[in-house]
Amino acid sequence: EAAVTQSPRNKVTVTGGNVTLSCRQTNSHNYMYWYRQDTGHGLRLIHYSYGAGNLQIGDVPDGYKATRTTQEDFFLLLELASPSQTSLYFCASSGDWGTSAETLYFGSGTRLTVL
Amino acid sequence: GEQVEQLPSILRVQEGSSASINCSYEDSASNYFPWYKQEPGENPKLIIDIRSNMERKQIQELIVLLDKKAKRFSLHITDTQPGDSAMYFCAASGPSGSWQLIFGSGTQLTVMP
Repeated sequence: EAAVTQSPRNKVTVTGGNVTLSCRQTNSHNYMYWYRQDTGHGLRLIHYSYGAGNLQIGDVPDGYKATRTTQEDFFLLLELASPSQTSLYFCASSGDWGTSAETLYFGSGTRLTVL
Repeated sequence: GEQVEQLPSILRVQEGSSASINCSYEDSASNYFPWYKQEPGENPKLIIDIRSNMERKQIQELIVLLDKKAKRFSLHITDTQPGDSAMYFCAASGPSGSWQLIFGSGTQLTVMP
């Protein structure tokens, strides 16, 4: 099965803190995504990317930056964390759209708590 | 942005009965509709999907129906088992030209013995 690895698994920070969530995929996928999961809201897309250096804005981007440094690595940055960003964050990767390879493969998630 | 509405949010059924989850989408250009299952403490995993050139797809006990006119699709689990208890998410492909999925808010299914 496709491999997506997230780190850390858990993170606690304080309001105003600086947090970086990391994601690496070894599937040779072009597309990578950051979602947050909150009860009652499902999975909401924060940022996504097609290839190194590419960045697209998702549905809930406010307060988040992202950077795709290589095909494998996608980072989510919270530069001034707020309690509203307490959530479960999932990274995912997929193959090319329109090629029957759109399946999203999710990492194990990072639980972030902002005090 | 585009919304995908998913109902019900909570579903409890008796073992052996059927469970149905319904979703609706807004963008008539959406052409890909996957369903993901998330077990407690796990990540979401694809269980079945359907494309806009189909109306019905079945994999074992899972049936997906798509009504493009009404912009609705649904998941039916026949002969439910306790192992089917999980969170289920429907999704629809995003606006034309984007490479993203828009997820519904999820259905927590509990199959009671």
